[in-house]
Amino acid sequence: QVQLVESGGGLVQPGGSLRLSCATSGFTFSSGGMHWVRQAPGKGLEWVAFIRYDGTNIKYADSVKGRFTISRDSSKNTLFLQMNSLRGEDTAVYYCAKDPTLYCYYMDVWGKGTTVTVSS
Amino acid sequence: DIQMTQSPSTLSASVGDRVTITCRASQTISIWLAWYQLKPGKAPQLLIYKASSLESGVASRFSGSGSGTEFTLTISSLQPDDFATYYCQQYGSYPLTFGGGTKVEIK
Repeated sequence: QVQLVESGGGLVQPGGSLRLSCATSGFTFSSGGMHWVRQAPGKGLEWVAFIRYDGTNIKYADSVKGRFTISRDSSKNTLFLQMNSLRGEDTAVYYCAKDPTLYCYYMDVWGKGTTVTVSS
Repeated sequence: DIQMTQSPSTLSASVGDRVTITCRASQTISIWLAWYQLKPGKAPQLLIYKASSLESGVASRFSGSGSGTEFTLTISSLQPDDFATYYCQQYGSYPLTFGGGTKVEIK
């Protein structure tokens, strides 16, 4: 059974940093790709970032480019999102999701999300 | 960026109703469209990919159609478990973009 479990969310001040983790199990982590997607309170879904299984083909939404870094540790079957220079508009539930392809396409399995609140 | 416009934003329906949600792309995306179901506190679920391919394990009452710029998600007979919010997502062009969502409520 494929499982994705996010952690690392919390309350952080504007300008601060957080590192989200996504522990995966039940599938071959070293294949396909992985995404981060977020949902701000009362808003729709927003794609954030993608990384291919081999750590290449990394893509970011313009809204986070230069501030967020996606990475993966295949030895631990874990996906990460390092978030720096956080802003109020980064407040959201952050989901990690698996892409069944090698490309930045769509998400076939999602986690339940972790909440990030950026506020002073 | 490709803009995805869903309609309606809210839909009131009864159990057993046939429900149709529309998603329009600001430019052609061929068949590169997915549909998801979201419920509060639960992991989002993929329903449809490649515009009309039903994801494994998803109930056959869900179906997708369309190509180019206009797409639909149809629930043939609404069940109590289907009251949720639905999103379309295009992957015809980077960056990936989602529609604004359609909340299906109990009438």
